[in-house]
Amino acid sequence: GAGVSQSPSNKVTEKGKDVELRCDPISGHTALYWYRQRLGQGLEFLIYFQGNSAPDKSGLPSDRFSAERTGESVSTLTIQRTQQEDSAVYLCASSYGKYTDTQYFGPGTRLTVL
Amino acid sequence: AQTVTQSQPEMSVQEAETVTLSCTYDTSESDYYLFWYKQPPSRQMILVIRQEAYKQQNATENRFSVNFQKAAKSFSLKISDSQLGDAAMYFCAYKDYGQNFVFGPGTRLSVLP
Repeated sequence: GAGVSQSPSNKVTEKGKDVELRCDPISGHTALYWYRQRLGQGLEFLIYFQGNSAPDKSGLPSDRFSAERTGESVSTLTIQRTQQEDSAVYLCASSYGKYTDTQYFGPGTRLTVL
Repeated sequence: AQTVTQSQPEMSVQEAETVTLSCTYDTSESDYYLFWYKQPPSRQMILVIRQEAYKQQNATENRFSVNFQKAAKSFSLKISDSQLGDAAMYFCAYKDYGQNFVFGPGTRLSVLP
């Protein structure tokens, strides 16, 4: 079946603008994670959704970052008033459920803030 | 809080040779999962191998195998018969039985022809 997809693949924006990144998880996967990966660095957890439970937002770096997910479908990560330090690859991953182990990753969105 | 450490920022290996990437982690849990993910320049994270902590037997997937030392909290990845396509960033990751998924900083592997 189809894997995790993300759009856009690349996004260039000007400082101060808002951006919206999209993630389509694998069908049937109830768990969804967003990560940020700065150039040459590891993955930084941002937010976690599990079914209809309240999301775990503990990784969001500031109130400029927010994310939504309707049920077990698409998720959007929004960054308001982008800053240059927001430039990174944003990765989305999904897994079958909270207590299952393996995450499946999308190809990421490379965000460049000028 | 759980942490994952990869002490080798960069490694290189000659094609067809064997290389071992190191990973240590810290946790107070007795049951958990460990993973190695590969991230080539395409940036698509690919699962290489997974290990369940309650299993003593080391996981193996073709040319990839792990040395899991639970008491030492060590989880190294051995790549045998290295191929050019193995060149990538390799991330060690830990997951508890809940939602916590923690990644190490990564090791960049170069494969020399």
